[in-house]
Amino acid sequence: ETGVTQTPRHLVMGMTNKKSLKCEQHLGHNAMYWYKQSAKKPLELMFVYSLEERVENNSVPSRFSPECPNSSHLFLHLHTLQPEDSALYLCASSQAEGPGYTFGSGTRLTVV
Amino acid sequence: GQSLEQPSEVTAVEGAIVQINCTYQTSGFYGLSWYQQHDGGAPTFLSYNALDGLEETGRFSSFLSRSDSYGYLLLQELQMKDSASYFCAVRAASGGYQKVTFGIGTKLQVIP
Repeated sequence: ETGVTQTPRHLVMGMTNKKSLKCEQHLGHNAMYWYKQSAKKPLELMFVYSLEERVENNSVPSRFSPECPNSSHLFLHLHTLQPEDSALYLCASSQAEGPGYTFGSGTRLTVV
Repeated sequence: GQSLEQPSEVTAVEGAIVQINCTYQTSGFYGLSWYQQHDGGAPTFLSYNALDGLEETGRFSSFLSRSDSYGYLLLQELQMKDSASYFCAVRAASGGYQKVTFGIGTKLQVIP
């Protein structure tokens, strides 16, 4: 365990389903992030929350909806996804101006 | 925006030394980070360079030249467990916060 816990580890969903990814950290960090990791591509930043306020929405389609109810929890709500959304979704946390991120182990998402 | 370049694959022999280079283009540069990711695992933070020079942490060292927009990760006394992907990441100003952009990663294979 890294200190950042993501659930579920694996998720298979149909294009009409609605599901949520959960991320939890108890490291005392005040910033949380969602990244998408696809094969042969760099880690893509999706959303950033700093002090529970969303400060970055990196041109992500509206079928992805983040929620940050407090500094320890982050959700990614998914609906009507496409097969190309299949990827590893990584959550990370840090101190807002800190040098390093702590990543969770990710959720491997497959859209069928 | 930001862009980073690093080799896609490197192979090295156990016990040897390997250097993974990273060049970047960005404005508002703050620093360069390195992360390690084993297959199926979470990226883990290795180092951060904000100033020019070499930072050493055990078998791993990281170097930065801000004037050349260049850095490298040096791994000494390679072990089989060092087989993993290594990502460089640039921290730079973006709107009102510091954004981290990752490279595509270098897959290191350590052979006996």
